[in-house]
Amino acid sequence: QSALTQPASVSGSPGQSIAISCTGTSGDIGPYDYISWYQQHPGKAPKLMIHDVSNRPSGVSDRFSGSKSGNTASLTISGLQAEDEADYYCCSYTRYSTWVFGGGTKVTVL
Amino acid sequence: EVHLLESGGGLVQPGGSLRLSCAASGFTFSSYVMNWVRQAPGKGLEWVSVISEDGSVKHYADSVKGRFTISRDDSKNTVYLQMYSLRVEDTAIYYCAKKICAGGACGGLDSWGQGTPVTVSS
Repeated sequence: QSALTQPASVSGSPGQSIAISCTGTSGDIGPYDYISWYQQHPGKAPKLMIHDVSNRPSGVSDRFSGSKSGNTASLTISGLQAEDEADYYCCSYTRYSTWVFGGGTKVTVL
Repeated sequence: EVHLLESGGGLVQPGGSLRLSCAASGFTFSSYVMNWVRQAPGKGLEWVSVISEDGSVKHYADSVKGRFTISRDDSKNTVYLQMYSLRVEDTAIYYCAKKICAGGACGGLDSWGQGTPVTVSS
């Protein structure tokens, strides 16, 4: 159950778009569409931003979008805003009927 | 409004035990899969365990298998995490989280508690 691979940090200027990758294997991301993304601000509980690869829960801005290709999932944040500065985690179902998170990506708004 | 409230965390010596509770409200508890997720100080999220709606199916991360037991009491709308043989590396904030969909196949935890801290130290 190795963690999914995410870049440690991604940065962008206000208004720009950024993408965070999440790379897994043929045992987790590859065969399943049960991919989710979470935003976490310091000292706060995680917040679900995307579920099932590309679905946004109600109340989540449409500036957040998700996709998947092969063993890699991606979260795109368009029109970057100061409030988007946070840690982001991907998560996938695995062939062992367990779940695995990525190591997390710190997003910085320049 | 969905509300999850964890309790039971604290300071315990290596080799000790602790039972965490997560009281749920605002939704039909018995219809949802529940999870425990933890976060060590300054580290990322780590999935710990999951229990099915009826409690018959349980899965664990390799790091806790054989030491932790998840259970639920639908009459009390509560999910538990019994932790045995605790190690220093189990030190973390423990969150309970609700799966986004009821009864279906989906991936996402849409409601989280505020977490309860567990410190394993001598």
